[in-house]
Amino acid sequence: DVKVTQSSRYLVKRTGEKVFLECVQDMDHENMFWYRQDPGLGLRLIYFSYDVKMKEKGDIPEGYSVSREKKERFSLILESASTNQTSMYLCASSSGGARGGNEQFFGPGTRLTVL
Amino acid sequence: QQQVKQSPQSLIVQKGGIPIINCAYENTAFDYFPWYQQFPGKGPALLIAIRPDVSEKKEGRFTISFNKSAKQFSLHIMDSQPGDSATYFCAASEGNEKLTFGTGTRLTIIP
Repeated sequence: DVKVTQSSRYLVKRTGEKVFLECVQDMDHENMFWYRQDPGLGLRLIYFSYDVKMKEKGDIPEGYSVSREKKERFSLILESASTNQTSMYLCASSSGGARGGNEQFFGPGTRLTVL
Repeated sequence: QQQVKQSPQSLIVQKGGIPIINCAYENTAFDYFPWYQQFPGKGPALLIAIRPDVSEKKEGRFTISFNKSAKQFSLHIMDSQPGDSATYFCAASEGNEKLTFGTGTRLTIIP
């Protein structure tokens, strides 16, 4: 059974803290994605990666960075958390050739609150 | 710039009714149109998808209707059940590029 796991379901951090969100997939997928989900705004792509050590900016990369040192793991980093980064963060992975776009498998999400 | 517009934002339908969720896109190069279903506390999961070479696709009680000339596609749920209550997202992509999602529709099916 395919599986995408995220390190935390709930996380509370303070403004200015450095935050790491971890995502692991066990499907040997090339492509991994980080989204944030906010009411009325849907899923917005933050960063994605088509291969190890590769990363590309999505639609809203400001304030975030990513790391992909191993194929199965994709980390989202908030260098200095701010209250407007309070959100649900979803990780996803997909197979599919050189670039993504086929079925994406999502993790359960991490609800981050920045105080 | 929102490339996929989804409506309505929320929808309440009685059991057995046929909820319809609509999406419109701008990029004529899009060629893959999936719908994702998300239950509370879970990540979205692929429900059904269509490519523009067909105008309709059915999987069980779920149907996608696709109108290429109008750049619109919609999800219909036949004989809706309370268990269908969820948030639904349409999406689109070009070739094997990343998905662009709509803003979501919260569907409630009342008994």
